[in-house]
Formats: sequence, C-alpha cells, structure tokens
Amino acid sequence: QKEVEQDPGPLSVPEGAIVSLNCTYSNSAFQYFMWYRQYSRKGPELLMYTYSSGNKEDGRFTAQVDKSSKYISLFIRDSQPSDSATYLCAMSEEGGGSNYKLTFGKGTLLTVNP
Amino acid sequence: ETGVTQTPRHLVMGMTNKKSLKCEQHLGHNAMYWYKQSAKKPLELMFVYNFKEQTENNSVPSRFSPECPNSSHLFLHLHTLQPEDSALYLCASSQGSKAFFGQGTRLTVV
Repeated sequence: QKEVEQDPGPLSVPEGAIVSLNCTYSNSAFQYFMWYRQYSRKGPELLMYTYSSGNKEDGRFTAQVDKSSKYISLFIRDSQPSDSATYLCAMSEEGGGSNYKLTFGKGTLLTVNP
Repeated sequence: ETGVTQTPRHLVMGMTNKKSLKCEQHLGHNAMYWYKQSAKKPLELMFVYNFKEQTENNSVPSRFSPECPNSSHLFLHLHTLQPEDSALYLCASSQGSKAFFGQGTRLTVV
C-alpha cells in the first residue's frame, strides 16, 4: 500500500463550482498536513498548512484533516479559472532538528472552465 | 517568488556530459532538499541537508552528487546520466515543517 494515495484526476469543473480534493494515508505518525498548488512549468507553492486534526480556512480554501480516518481534504469555493493547476497533498512526521521529510501524493490536475 | 532560486531553468545534456544544478535560498532556513518530479509519480525526496550536513540520501544513484557549501546554497552535480533521469528537479528549503520550493530545473537527458 502506498503511503499517500491521491486521485490524479483529471478533474474538470465549471467556474463557480465547489471543488473537493482528497488524500488518504497509511502512516499514523503523520502530524503535519499540507496542500501545494503547482501551475504548469512552475514549482509547488504552499497553499494550506495544518497541524494534527481539524479545519483551517483561508479565503475560498478550506483544509480538513481527519486523523482517525487518515483522510485529508481541500475544498475550493467559488472556483475560478485561475485555480486551474495541479494540487499536491503532502504530509510529514514530527521531525528532528529543523528538517522534515515530506511524503507527497501524485497530485490532482484541476481545470476550471470559464 | 518564494525566496528559493534555481538555475538553470532548463537543461539538455548528453549521457556523457557533466553538469551542475544550483539552488539558493534567501529565507534564512537551515534545511535544504532536492526532490525529483517525474510524470505520473509523486515527488521523490533525493537528499536532505541540515545545517550543511547531509542527513538523508534516499538511495539515490551515485551519478547524482549533492554539495552544500553553506546553509544558503545547494548544488546537484550530474554525470553520466540516463534518459530515465529526465525530470523536473526541485530544490526546497524549510525551517520546521513548512517547505518552500524553487521553480525547478527541467532536465532532459539525450
């Protein structure tokens, strides 16, 4: 079983739709959960960051973590064409020192159509 | 601009060439990383440096040789690569668990 599972899509939605992106994981030691957005030909950009379980909201974006189910989600409200990108989930254990090893999902390619 | 700069952005090299990728971070972070991103695969961690010391080598072939002269600079030296090494190579830095990535070097081995 892969450590992090993410449906690669592609996912195509109309402008204004609510988008739900998900990842499941198997390592119960993961404590830090992140979502990165990667535009074509660019590096990943940190979008949302959550420690342990719970919800976090930032504008149109909401990240949810359910550690009991080993399941994380990213919701995008009122999606815009500019949200079209690949979304990568990433997670890490409690690290030692100042370096943390991230384990990534494969990424979901999202297209928001005008 | 994330504060992590990678050069070159694109590189085409033959299998007998030697080249180097460069990464510089302006964030004051102590940890730096090399990741490999191939099509339809998750990002793969290659190397981790913490305070200039290598703390992780994720079973990377010896044709990839990292160098970290200080906490702000990271190099990846390449020699006798194979076509399957063609990928996007990403550098990242972190202080704690938040990692910030550069734009990557798109490497093509011919």
